Amino acid sequence: GAVVSQHPSRVICKSGTSVKIECRSLDFQATTMFWYRQFPKKSLMLMATSNEGSKATYEQGVEKDKFLINHASLTLSTLTVTSAHPEDSSFYICSARQGTGGFQPQHFGDGTRLSIL
Amino acid sequence: AQSVTQLDSHVSVSEGTPVLLRCNYSSSYSPSLFWYVQHPNKGLQLLLKYTSAATLVKGINGFEAEFKKSETSFHLTKPSAHMSDAAEYFCVVSDNQGGATNKLIFGTGTLLAVQP
Repeated sequence: GAVVSQHPSRVICKSGTSVKIECRSLDFQATTMFWYRQFPKKSLMLMATSNEGSKATYEQGVEKDKFLINHASLTLSTLTVTSAHPEDSSFYICSARQGTGGFQPQHFGDGTRLSIL
Repeated sequence: AQSVTQLDSHVSVSEGTPVLLRCNYSSSYSPSLFWYVQHPNKGLQLLLKYTSAATLVKGINGFEAEFKKSETSFHLTKPSAHMSDAAEYFCVVSDNQGGATNKLIFGTGTLLAVQP
């Protein structure tokens, strides 16, 4: 149980393109979803937290107009990297959690490797 | 404020020998603690969690961890390493402040290498 599907797994595109990444909880309803960015050989950096039906909460330093997050249902959240540039190349990982308690674990997708040429 | 320190960035063991990955935490609240594993180019998989029940927590794939409040530690162990255990391991504490988000705070990770 607690499977999170992230799609696509890999994207290569030209500079200036917008890229959408989907995160789905397959067998549970995710009250909260999280988006992380991971640089090579580094830990995960939280970008934003999204609750179904409300606006995402962005971490300090993350541009909300650059990284658009939509959490339209209890099983789907999307991250759109708008007008992507080479510096946006990274590994993006989503996670989903049932409920809001900190004792409940987050379940992670397999990540999306984004490469901007 | 809460934080997690993973004392070793790299650990190398031989197959069949015990594994010890060290983690110390700092928390102003009763913490929830997790260990996650990440294989190359993959997301994170939950190994085990501590949420104020039994202090010795058993997880998947033969891993376990013991919560020691007096030492503020939550070390991950496995009696016998397998080649498939080679991966990056993250110790994580939850920001249990009762707010809506309860963010995860990640350690810097320990890369486990298993030698044949």
